Amino acid sequence: AQSVTQLGSHVSVSEGALVLLRCNYSSSVPPYLFWYVQYPNQGLQLLLKYTSAATLVKGINGFEAEFKKSETSFHLTKPSAHMSDAAEYFCAVRAGGGNKLTFGTGTQLKVEL
Amino acid sequence: ETGVTQTPRHLVMGMTNKKSLKCEQHLGHNAMYWYKQSAKKPLELMFVYSLEERVENNSVPSRFSPECPNSSHLFLHLHTLQPEDSALYLCASSQGSGTGGPRNGYTFGSGTRLTVV
Repeated sequence: AQSVTQLGSHVSVSEGALVLLRCNYSSSVPPYLFWYVQYPNQGLQLLLKYTSAATLVKGINGFEAEFKKSETSFHLTKPSAHMSDAAEYFCAVRAGGGNKLTFGTGTQLKVEL
Repeated sequence: ETGVTQTPRHLVMGMTNKKSLKCEQHLGHNAMYWYKQSAKKPLELMFVYSLEERVENNSVPSRFSPECPNSSHLFLHLHTLQPEDSALYLCASSQGSGTGGPRNGYTFGSGTRLTVV
């Protein structure tokens, strides 16, 4: 079985500050890990993915995430927040040979002036 | 253009109406999904189709009826819905299972915002 835990349903940062959104996973086999972003009344858009190559993954809009097997974590970071980063962010894991992605409950990011 | 197109974007329907949501993907994927996203609730996987065969139905009420006539199209037929069915309905697609699996994750459409009155 696979699962994802996102710590903090709401995160608030100042514009220009570091963004850190936390994701921990549980999987009995090597996982594929994903971060998605959702803007209001839109679908989910893929930000970045880890597929067992480099452990530090760079995505769109200046985001990156580091796969840490020892900590079973895949936290999302961005050095400097922008107002346009305000959205909901979902971490997801896929493990094994099936189709299924398991999503976390999401973290709402607010960016303040 | 995201590659997955959902229509309509917004739908208001009465509890006695029958309507359908449509999803179309142009990515050559062979698996398609329906998700329900309600306010302050996690994403709920409703149905999974792989190679046009329904492979998962997560205890969804029979008032929701999916149809996948080919690998590019997915429908969700709605009838006698309840107000609590109001939500954003998301369609997604992916390349199929197996070792090659959905390494690229899912591609989502923009969703249909459904309001049941």
